[in-house]
Amino acid sequence: DIQMTQSPASLSASLGETVTIECLASEDIYSNLAWYQQKPGKSPQLLIYYANSLNDGVPSRFSGSGSGTQYSLKINSLQSEDVSIYFCQQNYDSPWTFGGGTKLELK
Amino acid sequence: EVQLVESGGGLVQPGRSLKFSCAASGFTFSDYAMAWVRQAPKKGLEWVATIIYDGSSTYYRDSVKGRFTISRDNAKSTLYLQMDSLRSEDTATYYCARHRNYGGHALDYWGQGVMVTVSS
Repeated sequence: DIQMTQSPASLSASLGETVTIECLASEDIYSNLAWYQQKPGKSPQLLIYYANSLNDGVPSRFSGSGSGTQYSLKINSLQSEDVSIYFCQQNYDSPWTFGGGTKLELK
Repeated sequence: EVQLVESGGGLVQPGRSLKFSCAASGFTFSDYAMAWVRQAPKKGLEWVATIIYDGSSTYYRDSVKGRFTISRDNAKSTLYLQMDSLRSEDTATYYCARHRNYGGHALDYWGQGVMVTVSS
């Protein structure tokens, strides 16, 4: 199975700040990497697919980058509604595996 | 508007069975692969199973192989998950989700989730 290591596990940032979350795959996943946002008590929502493609309706302050085994999600100009848990997921090979999640809070 | 609405959760004893359904609307269900993803209380996300658009191929995580069966009825736009020989570690919220058709196989729409508690 491909292991997805996400960091940091938790993050505290101020409004307007830029934050970056990292995801490391245990082998090359050829950009088959997605990012999800899960707000408390809600279902996950797709933010980014194929490493850097913004899903419909997602604000442009979210961006994804990376290749090979290393990927990142950047949130520019942090807003209060961005307080969530963020998960990466590889969809290169079954079993599709998720990172452990990053809990983003406001400072 | 794409909607995925799960039903069928509840409390079940270890070793018993349970079947969920997920009613899809707002898109051509038969064009998309579908998945079940679960989340144990206060834990991360765990992919459970996927079925391709016409039901001819299915994929499972090892821990549920032989116990869970994913299926679909394209005429009814409904996805199912039959869970047999349930274990306490199957306790989770189960989400129905749609795979994207291109740009990888990310899950672009999710249901609201249905809770299953396996306990005696």
